[in-house]
Amino acid sequence: AQSVTQLDSQVPVFEEAPVELRCNYSSSVSVYLFWYVQYPNQGLQLLLKYLSGSTLVESINGFEAEFNKSQTSFHLRKPSVHISDTAEYFCAVSDRRGNKLVFGAGTILRVKS
Amino acid sequence: DGGITQSPKYLFRKEGQNVTLSCEQNLNHDAMYWYRQDPGQGLRLIYYSQIVNDFQKGDIAEGYSVSREKKESFPLTVTSAQKNPTAFYLCATEDPTGYEQYFGPGTRLTVT
Repeated sequence: AQSVTQLDSQVPVFEEAPVELRCNYSSSVSVYLFWYVQYPNQGLQLLLKYLSGSTLVESINGFEAEFNKSQTSFHLRKPSVHISDTAEYFCAVSDRRGNKLVFGAGTILRVKS
Repeated sequence: DGGITQSPKYLFRKEGQNVTLSCEQNLNHDAMYWYRQDPGQGLRLIYYSQIVNDFQKGDIAEGYSVSREKKESFPLTVTSAQKNPTAFYLCATEDPTGYEQYFGPGTRLTVT
């Protein structure tokens, strides 16, 4: 069975500063990896995903994540955050078989002006 | 306009009452999921259905029931047997080609 650990429950950061949200996973088989974003009282939206190929994946709004198989990590980064990036971010893993997603506990990103 | 609708957005019930949460989709996806979200716990899978007339229990199915009579609809009933039903409930479908899940806007259920 897979598991996901998001190492920080909250990350406060000033606007225009860089940020990294950490995600580690555990699995005995190959996985697909996802980052979702949730704004208050809304559903989740897919931010980016790793299925295969290049280990660096990017979103349209400047986030990127790198799949590191040896460290079983999929950390999310952004070089310069905006107030509008304030949200909760969830890392998720799928085992490529049943396609059920296992979610981390979430990291709340608070961007301050 | 394609997507997933969940209604109502907010729902209030008295303890001991069953309540049914609606989830409708027009994405033509076969697989549908119900999750429960509690602060600091991420999302936990309640039930899922990969095809019409078939569904499986997830990790926390006790006190919940579902049906899947139509491809478009996957209602969730929270029964009086669910000990702590107050939570945010999210419905999702799965894109079989991209392996990603699409989420509805959620229903916040409060039971007092």
